[in-house]
Amino acid sequence: EDQVTQSPEALRLQEGESSSLNCSYTVSGLRGLFWYRQDPGKGPEFLFTLYSAGEEKEKERLKATLTKKESFLHITAPKPEDSATYLCAVQATGTASKLTFGTGTRLQVTL
Amino acid sequence: GAVVSQHPSRVICKSGTSVKIECRSLDFQATTMFWYRQFPKKSLMLMATSNEGSKATYEQGVEKDKFLINHASLTLSTLTVTSAHPEDSSFYICSVLAFSYNEQFFGPGTRLTVL
Repeated sequence: EDQVTQSPEALRLQEGESSSLNCSYTVSGLRGLFWYRQDPGKGPEFLFTLYSAGEEKEKERLKATLTKKESFLHITAPKPEDSATYLCAVQATGTASKLTFGTGTRLQVTL
Repeated sequence: GAVVSQHPSRVICKSGTSVKIECRSLDFQATTMFWYRQFPKKSLMLMATSNEGSKATYEQGVEKDKFLINHASLTLSTLTVTSAHPEDSSFYICSVLAFSYNEQFFGPGTRLTVL
């Protein structure tokens, strides 16, 4: 069974204080790993897709990396508007594009 | 990415009634859509895969007679919660699969409260 574990469960940062979120996964064969951002009471917003170990993608203050066992979402000099829950999901080969989600990391960035 | 809408955004109903939730792909023809439910501070749980013109595929443990899914066109999928009970109260979210990108784009969600 595919499993996704995210840590920490919650993270509080001061504005400008960089950090990383972790997503560990167990999957029979990885087709893709996805990062989403979710604001309270809203649907997830797509951020990145990573397909192979060693791959990196960046968007503004966010950078996602992938190894064979985990992915990291690095947040550089965060701002209060980066406060949200960040979700990681894996897509296994042969699963018709289905996603298995982790429980997310709730990030709060304060002034 | 694809723009997805859901209607209604919030619904409150009495126990025993049925509720229909619509999911529309506004700028993309979606052969495949997904329905999820999410409990507070919990992960998104896939309920079913909705395929245009065919029967939905339900995940293990999801009652297909209780959660009726219809995907009659390339832009609309509906989820009907039949004979709703308080334990069906949840946040229901749909997504559209963009095949060319192998990515899912999500709707804003529907908050269902059953009294």
